[in-house]
Amino acid sequence: EAGVAQSPRYKIIEKRQSVAFWCNPISGHATLYWYQQILGQGPKLLIQFQNNGVVDDSQLPKDRFSAERLKGVDSTLKIQPAKLEDSAVYLCASSLISVADSPSSYNSPLHFGNGTRLTVT
Amino acid sequence: AQKVTQAQTEISVVEKEDVTLDCVYETRDTTYYLFWYKQPPSGELVFLIRRNSFDEQNEISGRYSWNFQKSTSSFNFTITASQVVDSAVYFCALSEALTLGNQFYFGTGTSLTVIP
Repeated sequence: EAGVAQSPRYKIIEKRQSVAFWCNPISGHATLYWYQQILGQGPKLLIQFQNNGVVDDSQLPKDRFSAERLKGVDSTLKIQPAKLEDSAVYLCASSLISVADSPSSYNSPLHFGNGTRLTVT
Repeated sequence: AQKVTQAQTEISVVEKEDVTLDCVYETRDTTYYLFWYKQPPSGELVFLIRRNSFDEQNEISGRYSWNFQKSTSSFNFTITASQVVDSAVYFCALSEALTLGNQFYFGTGTSLTVIP
């Protein structure tokens, strides 16, 4: 099966500019995640979608970050305006789990894309 | 509070040595899942193994083995006869069943370098 697709692979922008990242999850995966991974740290969840609805966006800096998954398939993450501290790898992941599933399905692993490496100068 | 702790930041071993990566987790849930992921230099996070809280049997898969101990809240990962291709950052992760939608908490990772 095709994996999680992300683009672009790399992006360099100046601070205060805008940038957008795209993710296409594995076909049939209901849940989609955006993670931010700063160099030397573990992935930090930004937002989680279940189909086209937001499950958790508590750690998304909403004054500058936005994300959507309008048709419940692919997703876009935007940063506007970017700051120097936004330099990181942005990872998209998907999983099979559905909120209607029983707790026993919470073991669905996340499948990650290759990520987008953002450098803000 | 950090839910997943990986105390080892960096480890270097010589090829063919065994190496154990430590992971300690914190949860109040009785049902939860633990995972290990590998992140090679290419950047993609690769799923290695998952374990549920009701299954404390240790598991061996080729050169990889996992030791899950609920009494110490640990889920350690051992690579036997390490190879250069094992060089990567390894992340331990926790998923709690009571958290809506299968949220994952990642540790800070352990960078493993296998020296030829």
